[in-house]
Amino acid sequence: NAGVTQTPKFQVLKTGQSMTLQCAQDMNHNSMYWYRQDPGMGLRLIYYSASEGTTDKGEVPNGYNVSRLNKREFSLRLESAAPSQTSVYFCASSEAGAGEKLFFGSGTQLSVL
Amino acid sequence: GENVEQHPSTLSVQEGDSAVIKCTYSDSASNYFPWYKQELGKRPQLIIDIRSNVGEKKDQRIAVTLNKTAKHFSLHITETQPEDSAVYFCAASISPYNNNDMRFGAGTRLTVKP
Repeated sequence: NAGVTQTPKFQVLKTGQSMTLQCAQDMNHNSMYWYRQDPGMGLRLIYYSASEGTTDKGEVPNGYNVSRLNKREFSLRLESAAPSQTSVYFCASSEAGAGEKLFFGSGTQLSVL
Repeated sequence: GENVEQHPSTLSVQEGDSAVIKCTYSDSASNYFPWYKQELGKRPQLIIDIRSNVGEKKDQRIAVTLNKTAKHFSLHITETQPEDSAVYFCAASISPYNNNDMRFGAGTRLTVKP
C-alpha cells in the first residue's frame, strides 16, 4: 500500500516552460488536492477534486490547471512557468466528507529560473 | 474566507519541557481543527485533530484544546523529545462536505534541544 505517490521529486524549469506534476493514490479516496508550500505561508490549496470527474479552484489557482484522470490520478499542469511558482508542491487525498484526514504525497520541489 | 494565524513561528525548548503552540481562526462556523507535523524534508502528517463539539482531546504526550468563544485552539506537547523537532501546522475547516475550504496556519518550527 503506497499511499499517495507524486512525481517528480525535483524539477528545474526555465520561465515559460510547461510541465505536469503527477499524483496517484491507492486508498480508494474520493477527494484529491494540490497544495503549494512557501516559507512562512503554510499550505495553500491550488485546486481540488471532490470526486472523479469534478475539479474546482482553491485559494491560489492562477497559472495552474488540473485533470482528474480517474479515481486514482490527479495531475497539476503549469502551462507557462513563472518564478513566482517556485515552491514545494504537495498532492493529498482524503475520504469524502468534512474533517477527514489528509494523506500527503512526498512533495515536488520546483524551481523556476 | 477563513483566516488562521499561528504563534509562535519558532519555538525552542529543552528536552523534557512542555511546548505550546497557539492558533486563532476568524470564522465562527469552523468546526474541524487538525494539527499536522512535518519533519525536515518529509510530508505533513496528521498528529491530532478536534471537532467543535469537544473542548479537549489527548493522545499520549500531545493534547489539543479548543475555545470556541475566543476562536482559538492550542497544541500542547509534554515531556518533549528530540524527535518532536519539526514544523507544526494548525488548520481550520468549515465545510460539512469536504476539506476544500481548510486553511492552514503559517507553521511553527519546534526545536527540542537534548
